[in-house]
Amino acid sequence: NAGVTQTPKFQVLKTGQSMTLQCAQDMNHNSMYWYRQDPGMGLRLIYYSASEGTTDKGEVPNGYNVSRLNKREFSLRLESAAPSQTSVYFCASSDPGQGALGYGYTFGSGTRLTVV
Amino acid sequence: QQQVKQSPQSLIVQKGGISIINCAYENTAFDYFPWYQQFPGKGPALLIAIRPDVSEKKEGRFTISFNKSAKQFSLHIMDSQPGDSATYFCAAAPRGYQKVTFGTGTKLQVIP
Repeated sequence: NAGVTQTPKFQVLKTGQSMTLQCAQDMNHNSMYWYRQDPGMGLRLIYYSASEGTTDKGEVPNGYNVSRLNKREFSLRLESAAPSQTSVYFCASSDPGQGALGYGYTFGSGTRLTVV
Repeated sequence: QQQVKQSPQSLIVQKGGISIINCAYENTAFDYFPWYQQFPGKGPALLIAIRPDVSEKKEGRFTISFNKSAKQFSLHIMDSQPGDSATYFCAAAPRGYQKVTFGTGTKLQVIP
């Protein structure tokens, strides 16, 4: 089925380790996003890419970097993981060109990351 | 700074009852107000959305009510069913629909 694919689904890191979360979409969407979800805090935007070749910071970018590899793929990198980065990470894509009420994010199934 | 405030944090409703979740926003540049539904272990999925030029939108058992002057909007789930048990997020985005801001979520449990 078409959609957003995230890998890995689960990961445990030690403090200071690095890792890259992968995301790919096959809907030909222009925009891609990385959110983190924490209890009681909802979904907070880390970084987004409005179109291929562009990236911008969201609400909580510190400690993260992103790469929009091509139109399909948008990766999130933790250079030196900290316990505060323990969270569930969601990638999403959208195409604002679809217009108002038909527009919405398509989310992946998430990566559950624990930093010990 | 929380731009979209959502309440309650959790909600228990009996089967057949009405579930009501409320949200408020401050940024008058918001132009699009979607609601997302999330089941455990899954990503959120778009449920229903509204723009501020209408006061109500209904899709099946789900209705959004929108009060532009009060900067408030709410989700009503009529005839709530156990299958509706999930976490619901309200959200808002400015014109152009980039950078959606989410509320903190409401965990709904519908009991038989």
